[in-house]
Amino acid sequence: ETGVTQTPRHLVMGMTNKKSLKCEQHLGHNAMYWYKQSAKKPLELMFVYSLEERVENNSVPSRFSPECPNSSHLFLHLHTLQPEDSALYLCASSQDMGLAETQYFGPGTRLLVL
Amino acid sequence: ILNVEQSPQSLHVQEGDSTNFTCSFPSSNFYALHWYRWETAKSPEALFVMTLNGDEKKKGRISATLNTKEGYSYLYIKGSQPEDSATYLCASPLGNYGQNFVFGPGTRLSVLP
Repeated sequence: ETGVTQTPRHLVMGMTNKKSLKCEQHLGHNAMYWYKQSAKKPLELMFVYSLEERVENNSVPSRFSPECPNSSHLFLHLHTLQPEDSALYLCASSQDMGLAETQYFGPGTRLLVL
Repeated sequence: ILNVEQSPQSLHVQEGDSTNFTCSFPSSNFYALHWYRWETAKSPEALFVMTLNGDEKKKGRISATLNTKEGYSYLYIKGSQPEDSATYLCASPLGNYGQNFVFGPGTRLSVLP
């Protein structure tokens, strides 16, 4: 086990719904990440948090809103999503935000937007 | 190369065969090269992080090499086993400060018993 958990594992939502994805890491790490994997595309980095401060936002639409209340928890708040946002959303953590730091991934949330 | 690329896209080998695949990345502003293994229905699992030109890393039957001057890394699996079946991903921090952690599309390996 990687020590990174995500809930829920599967989520179906309508375009007008508001939902949140939760990630928790039990590794004592200082950096956390959200990734998106759409069908037949590579993993795409969405957000990076280091010591609870957002340090990277890769031009992600505002309908995705991250929150990092402490170094162990990371949320991704979703509202008014589009069907093309259906994807696997992965959370990861690393000891620090160094470029050679190993990232430890959770199992992902499979999201379907109807 | 302005992105991280991998080849082949997929690979089928017989149990016991040795195999290798390639990751290509921009050779300028190189910081690190990461390899991950991603089995179906599981989390991606880190295999190696490599930072130095000429670096070689080994973990059991899996090894990797790095050439930062020409921008490629090879992953080798010796004596493939069915449990090696997975998608193998490489990733590298790109951009002037490595601020964009970019994954390749992966090589999907199937080892047939």
